[in-house]
Amino acid sequence: QKEVEQNSGPLSVPEGAIASLNCTYSDRGSQSFFWYRQYSGKSPELIMSIYSNGDKEDGRFTAQLNKASQYVSLLIRDSQPSDSATYLCAVNERTGGFKTIFGAGTRLFVKA
Amino acid sequence: NAGVMQNPRHLVRRRGQEARLRCSPMKGHSHVYWYRQLPEEGLKFMVYLQKENIIDESGMPKERFSAEFPKEGPSILRIQQVVRGDSAAYFCASSSSRGQETQYFGPGTRLLVL
Repeated sequence: QKEVEQNSGPLSVPEGAIASLNCTYSDRGSQSFFWYRQYSGKSPELIMSIYSNGDKEDGRFTAQLNKASQYVSLLIRDSQPSDSATYLCAVNERTGGFKTIFGAGTRLFVKA
Repeated sequence: NAGVMQNPRHLVRRRGQEARLRCSPMKGHSHVYWYRQLPEEGLKFMVYLQKENIIDESGMPKERFSAEFPKEGPSILRIQQVVRGDSAAYFCASSSSRGQETQYFGPGTRLLVL
């Protein structure tokens, strides 16, 4: 059973701090990795995609991928109250597969 | 609006009725995915379709559930003889191709079975 594991939280950080969200996956052959943000009652919204080992930065967001450790993370710098949401880690099966497996999500609260 | 469209946004059915959920992919996208999300839980893959073909339905219950993506018109997720346990948010996503391509999500249909 291929799995994507996340700490359900809630993770609480003060405004302006760095929020660190972590995710591990079981399928060593996975090729594509995504972070989505989901506000309560809304649909998931893509934040970052990452395909290669290392860091990828986009504004206040940095995704980190370590395929050897089967680990992907999301850092949010200068956290804002508007960042309070559930963050979903998603992993595509290896080439030739079709499914995207989602983690259960980590709830983030940014305190003003 | 060139985004993924789903309708209805909210659907109420009594036990035993049929629920029909529709999804129009983003313009230029030919790959559609359906997910189910129970309250306070993550997204569960149900089915992946291309035009006129079901590619992977391994996440869909064997009974009462079916999906199609005809040559013309939206993708349809059909749930026959609904039960209370079917109450959930059903999200559709689309992509331009499989593999590494990003999926873009529609607003979802909230199904409530009374």
